[in-house]
Amino acid sequence: AQKVTQAQTEISVVEKEDVTLDCVYETRDTTYYLFWYKQPPSGELVFLIRRNSFDEQNEISGRYSWNFQKSTSSFNFTITASQVVDSAVYFCALSRFLGNQFYFGTGTSLTVIP
Amino acid sequence: KAGVTQTPRYLIKTRGQQVTLSCSPISGHRSVSWYQQTPGQGLQFLFEYFSETQRNKGNFPGRFSGRQFSNSRSEMNVSTLELGDSALYLCASSLAASSDVTGELFFGEGSRLTVL
Repeated sequence: AQKVTQAQTEISVVEKEDVTLDCVYETRDTTYYLFWYKQPPSGELVFLIRRNSFDEQNEISGRYSWNFQKSTSSFNFTITASQVVDSAVYFCALSRFLGNQFYFGTGTSLTVIP
Repeated sequence: KAGVTQTPRYLIKTRGQQVTLSCSPISGHRSVSWYQQTPGQGLQFLFEYFSETQRNKGNFPGRFSGRQFSNSRSEMNVSTLELGDSALYLCASSLAASSDVTGELFFGEGSRLTVL
């Protein structure tokens, strides 16, 4: 069975602080994909990153970085120098290598205080 | 390039009624998925269609159904509405290169259904 756990329900940080959102997943598959999505108040989920299970390289995109560790089944997301516009709910998701069925975590609501 | 479009954005129904939600995927996307989002259960997979065929289905009762048309547009229907069906229904499209390969999902803004 596939499962994604985001233990942090809500996080508040002051603008310009760094924040890390945790994601732990469970799967027996050897090949799979991991994703992060952002959901602003408008409701639309915005794709941030996809990582396949073969690639454990960390990735950085501007103020965003992702740390994938297969050994601990974690795919954490760090926002550096947070901004008010980063306030949203962030979801981590897992999909099997074949088939387009995604398993989402319960989300972490991030509030950045100016 | 237009994104995923869902209609209607908001609707209110009463118990026992049925509802049909519509989704237009990004042009060229052949895979359309539907998710239900509620505060208690989070995002749950309903079903996925690829080239007019349902190829994945989540654990929802038969009251939830869907279909996809030849232009990849999709509809989902919920019959005999219950209070617990109140939720945000999200549609997502994907540029899946073949019938099985997973692609990233691009979501619409959702249809918020309230059942009274």
